Amino acid sequence: GAVVSQHPSWVICKSGTSVKIECRSLDFQATTMFWYRQFPKQSLMLMATSNEGSKATYEQGVEKDKFLINHASLTLSTLTVTSAHPEDSSFYICSARKGRNGYTFGSGTRLTVV
Amino acid sequence: SQELEQSPQSLIVQEGKNLTINCTSSKTLYGLYWYKQKYGEGLIFLMMLQKGGEEKSHEKITAKLDEKKQQSSLHITASQPSHAGIYLCGAVGGGADGLTFGKGTHLIIQP
Repeated sequence: GAVVSQHPSWVICKSGTSVKIECRSLDFQATTMFWYRQFPKQSLMLMATSNEGSKATYEQGVEKDKFLINHASLTLSTLTVTSAHPEDSSFYICSARKGRNGYTFGSGTRLTVV
Repeated sequence: SQELEQSPQSLIVQEGKNLTINCTSSKTLYGLYWYKQKYGEGLIFLMMLQKGGEEKSHEKITAKLDEKKQQSSLHITASQPSHAGIYLCGAVGGGADGLTFGKGTHLIIQP
């Protein structure tokens, strides 16, 4: 199997603070992980590609200084939302790639910035 | 960049009826994925199609990829309440190797 664990499942933070979201591949190694963002009733938008041991690749329009990605090991990628603001409130989902074609998704993190 | 268009956007079906969801790509598909999502939760992998004309089935769900590899359909037979959710088609394209998704089809099953 391929299981991806995402933590926390939900978080509320104050405006101006930072929040870290973890994405772990539990039973396989993932050199590549992906971070998506989903607004209510909309589809998933790819934010960035996280590469183990190297810098993340960000999609156009995604601020790399605001959404810090670290992929320090083959089983863990983290997304840190820095200086969060209410407009950053969203549902964030990670995905890990197993092999060439397998994309397994985490259960998502609901971020609310107040 | 790759764009995926799903239709219909939403669908209300009486329990027991069949239904079809379509996904059309602006470019040739080299891997088409179908996922199901309950609102506010993660994605559940359903099927992946690669070859033109390929068809796969799992329980009451059948997915097909056309010969030209630009359109896929997801068919549910004898729908049940457990089929309710958001169905997303995704394909490799756009940024790096991440999946690009369609906007999703919201499926409601009426008892």
